Amino acid sequence: EIVLTQSPGTLSLSPGERATLSCRASQSVSSSYLAWYQQKPGQAPRLLIYGASSRATGIPDRFSGSGSGTDFTLTISRLEPEDFAVYYCQQYGSSPEYTFGQGTKLEIK
Amino acid sequence: QVQLVESGGGLVKPGGSLRLSCAASGFTFSDYYMSWIRQAPGKGLEWVSYISSSGSTIYYADSVKGRFTISRDNAKNSLYLQMNSLRAEDTAVYYCARIFRVDAFDIWGQGTMVTVSS
Repeated sequence: EIVLTQSPGTLSLSPGERATLSCRASQSVSSSYLAWYQQKPGQAPRLLIYGASSRATGIPDRFSGSGSGTDFTLTISRLEPEDFAVYYCQQYGSSPEYTFGQGTKLEIK
Repeated sequence: QVQLVESGGGLVKPGGSLRLSCAASGFTFSDYYMSWIRQAPGKGLEWVSYISSSGSTIYYADSVKGRFTISRDNAKNSLYLQMNSLRAEDTAVYYCARIFRVDAFDIWGQGTMVTVSS
């Protein structure tokens, strides 16, 4: 099973700043089957990025994803107040197998 | 609009059973693979099971294999999760989700809480 490790655990930033979230896989993620989700308290997760770098429908272009193999990054170019939430990465592997990272909490500084 | 609505959660004793339902609307349900994903209180996300669009292909996480059964009724636009031999560690919010391509979950329900406690 591929393990995803997200860092940092908590990221404290101010609105307008740039956020960089990391997701590292214990083995190579096939065909860039790496997705990112945003979850706010009491809500279901929302798909932001799939295929490592493609934005899902309706996702603002301040969100971008990059990476391949074992190292992936979610970047939020200029933080808006509504962006403060928990972010999860998720990979798909053969079997099938879907695993999530433990999450990064993005909080207001 | 595209929507998934779960129901059937509640409080159940260890060893008991519960059946969750997920009603889909706003899209052609029979075209999509579907999945159940859970989240224990204050914890991260855990994939539980998936079912192909026709129902012919099914997979489970090792943590629920042999105890949970996923099924669907395309005529009723509904997804189900039969949960037997429930344990305290099954306590979680259970989400149904639509699978996008093969590798991501693009539509989620609001979740239904399952509590396993004596």
